[in-house]
Amino acid sequence: QKEVEQNSGPLSVPEGAIASLNCTYSDRGSQSFFWYRQYSGKSPELIMFIYSNGDKEDGRFTAQLNKASQYVSLLIRDSQPSDSATYLCAVSHGSARQLTFGSGTQLTVLP
Amino acid sequence: GAVVSQHPSRVICKSGTSVKIECRSLDFQATTMFWYRQFPKQSLMLMATSNEGSKATYEQGVEKDKFLINHASLTLSTLTVTSAHPEDSSFYICSASPGPAAEQYFGPGTRLTVT
Repeated sequence: QKEVEQNSGPLSVPEGAIASLNCTYSDRGSQSFFWYRQYSGKSPELIMFIYSNGDKEDGRFTAQLNKASQYVSLLIRDSQPSDSATYLCAVSHGSARQLTFGSGTQLTVLP
Repeated sequence: GAVVSQHPSRVICKSGTSVKIECRSLDFQATTMFWYRQFPKQSLMLMATSNEGSKATYEQGVEKDKFLINHASLTLSTLTVTSAHPEDSSFYICSASPGPAAEQYFGPGTRLTVT
């Protein structure tokens, strides 16, 4: 059973702060790691993906991957109220790169 | 680029009827399409993987005779929920990938309500 675990939250941070979202996965054969944002009633939208150990930065977002610890995280700098959403961690595996999603972390950025 | 559409966005049907949901990749050819289901307050659960021109691969616990998937072209996949029941009410989301090593692009989802 391939599992992806996330803290369900809710996580609340004040506007302008750094939000830190964490995810662990069980399958060491996992190849790629994704962070999606999902607003209520909408489908997920891709924020970032990461393949290699280390950090990857894109604007206010930084993804961190540690394959030895089977851990991936997402940092959101200068958090904005519009960042309030559920953040889904997803891990790909298999020849077709199927995605297994975590249960999501609900983030609220307080004005 | 990389736009995926779904139709309809919302559908209400009576128990026992069938419903077809379409998923289209608008600006790229999708060799693989995926169908997910999401119940309230839960995460996305992969139902099946479909490749153009071949039979879909269903995840464990998903009834292939109830959820019929057809991937007739590189831009269109359909999911038919047959003999729908109220417990099939859910948010159905498709995604499409231009290649096996590429990321998935999600459609806007279809909310199905079975009365």
